[in-house]
Formats: sequence, structure tokens, C-alpha cells
Amino acid sequence: ELKVEQNPLFLSMQEGKNYTIYCNYSTTSDRLYWYRQDPGKSLESLFVLLSNGAVKQEGRLMASLDTKARLSTLHITAAVHDLSATYFCAVEITSQFGNEKLTFGTGTRLTIIP
Amino acid sequence: DAGVIQSPRHEVTEMGQEVTLRCKPISGHDYLFWYRQTMMRGLELLIYFNNNVPIDDSGMPEDRFSAKMPNASFSTLKIQPSEPRDSAVYFCASSWTFGSYEQYFGPGTRLTVT
Repeated sequence: ELKVEQNPLFLSMQEGKNYTIYCNYSTTSDRLYWYRQDPGKSLESLFVLLSNGAVKQEGRLMASLDTKARLSTLHITAAVHDLSATYFCAVEITSQFGNEKLTFGTGTRLTIIP
Repeated sequence: DAGVIQSPRHEVTEMGQEVTLRCKPISGHDYLFWYRQTMMRGLELLIYFNNNVPIDDSGMPEDRFSAKMPNASFSTLKIQPSEPRDSAVYFCASSWTFGSYEQYFGPGTRLTVT
């Protein structure tokens, strides 16, 4: 069974600082997604990573994928309050029956402190 | 496009009652997903459809849960009979394909079973 672990689970950081959220997964996959969820809201897609070494950037967020290490990172640069949210990674695999399956990580609740 | 539409947004019901959640995917999307989100279990994929056909229902918790997609623009998730442990936020999402593209999530239905 695929396990997807994120760390940290909770992160408080000051505005202007840099930090990284990690997403580890337990089986081979080369497709990984990052989503953002604001409190009480739905999920919003941030990045789609489709191959080893993929790197995507949007504003102060940058995501990367290392399929050999089974690791994705979400790096936050010079954090601002608007980035406060819960961030999820999701890993796609092909099951033994040939259909795709998607497993979400536990989420990282990020709070940016002024 | 209005995005993924879910109804109702909030549902409060008593244990033993039947609950039906509804979803209208984004027009042109071939895949439709039902998720459940709770504090204890996080975000779980319950079932997904491709071209109105159920592909993987391994995430459906038990026989009390059933889902249908009678046409490309409508899906239902039914719980009968409902139990307090079914209380959660249920999200519907849709996408053009399973992989390579992000899933677009609806606003969710917050279900409370008393």
C-alpha cells in the first residue's frame, strides 16, 4: 500500500523567511501533485510534476520531484502572510489492475507570522 | 465555466437517514472523483469514474456507500443508512485525464450526522 508522508505537519514561520516542506512516498511513481487548501475551503491545484527532476515555480513557491529518492519538496521563499494555508502533496501510481490511484499526504499546515 | 458544482453545501441529518450528495463536473472532463476529508483520516479517494464508468471503488468504506454517474454532467454519492462516523467534508473533483493534469475540486459538502 502506498504511503505518503509530509513533514512537518505544522509549520509556523516568520514573514520573510525561507522554508521547505517535504513529501516522501513509499513506492515508485513519477507523477506528483501539490495542492493548497485554505481553512474551510476547497483544494486548489498548485503544481503538477510529471517526471524525475521536474521543477515548477510560481511566485514564492517552487516544487521539485526526485523520483529516485521518492521525494518532492515545496520550497517557500520570503514567506508572506497570504501563503498561510494547508499544503498537500498527492502521489499517483498505477495499480496492479492497471488503473491509476491517487493518494494524498497528511498535509502541512503553514502559518506565517508577521 | 462555473467550475465543479456540488450540492448541498451543508447537510445535517439524523443517524439512519439516507443522504444524497450531488456533483456536476466541469464540462468536457472525462474523470470524476469523490473524496472524503476528516481530521482523523485526512483526504481519501472514495471512487472515481472515467466516461461515466466506475473504475476504482476500493476507497468506498462499506456497502452503505454507493455512487453513480448516469451521464457526463451529473454524479451522486449516497449513504444509506447514515452514521455519525460518516460526518466529514465530501469533495467532488473532475479532470480531463487521470494523470498529467490537475484535478479541479468542488466547494465540498459538509455532512453532519447526529
